[in-house]
Amino acid sequence: AQSVSQHNHHVILSEAASLELGCNYSYGGTVNLFWYVQYPGQHLQLLLKYFSGDPLVKGIKGFEAEFIKSKFSFNLRKPSVQWSDTAEYFCAVILYTGRRALTFGSGTRLQVQP
Amino acid sequence: DSGVTQTPKHLITATGQRVTLRCSPRSGDLSVYWYQQSLDQGLQFLIQYYNGEERAKGNILERFSAQQFPDLHSELNLSSLELGDSALYFCASSVGGATDTQYFGPGTRLTVL
Repeated sequence: AQSVSQHNHHVILSEAASLELGCNYSYGGTVNLFWYVQYPGQHLQLLLKYFSGDPLVKGIKGFEAEFIKSKFSFNLRKPSVQWSDTAEYFCAVILYTGRRALTFGSGTRLQVQP
Repeated sequence: DSGVTQTPKHLITATGQRVTLRCSPRSGDLSVYWYQQSLDQGLQFLIQYYNGEERAKGNILERFSAQQFPDLHSELNLSSLELGDSALYFCASSVGGATDTQYFGPGTRLTVL
């Protein structure tokens, strides 16, 4: 079965530090890839998505992610984090063929210290 | 605001009871998904409906059921509730195409005492 791994469970950064959150998936076929963010007490919001084309995807709030097919990875990056980026970040995958439900990673809790 | 609405926001009930969670998708979206978020299981897909018909099932217990009505709103029914059913239940909706994106509602927090 497909799975999504997020190896960083809790990340603490200072403001202006650079961020990279890892995401790996286990499936050899075509996938759609997503990063969602959940701010404290709020619902999931889409940060960015990859379906095809340029493997470097830009999303909202200065986030970007790079799809590396050979590594089955879709890491999330931001050059300079802000205190308001404190949230939980989820990587998710949909198999292009098959059901369209999202399979989520376990999430990474990001804490940005002012 | 994603345009997906869920009611109620909070629900507190006792073991053995039955509850109904409601979801209204974004205007124009035909597909509705239900997810459960708990501390021990993380975010898990439960079930999907597309234009009134069940499309896919995930880790949904037999005690749980769902339906999607002609106006496209959906209800998730949870019965014979157990303490372990306490969780956040999210609904998401999408257009239903091959490259669509799911937009999530604010969730219903269920507490079973």
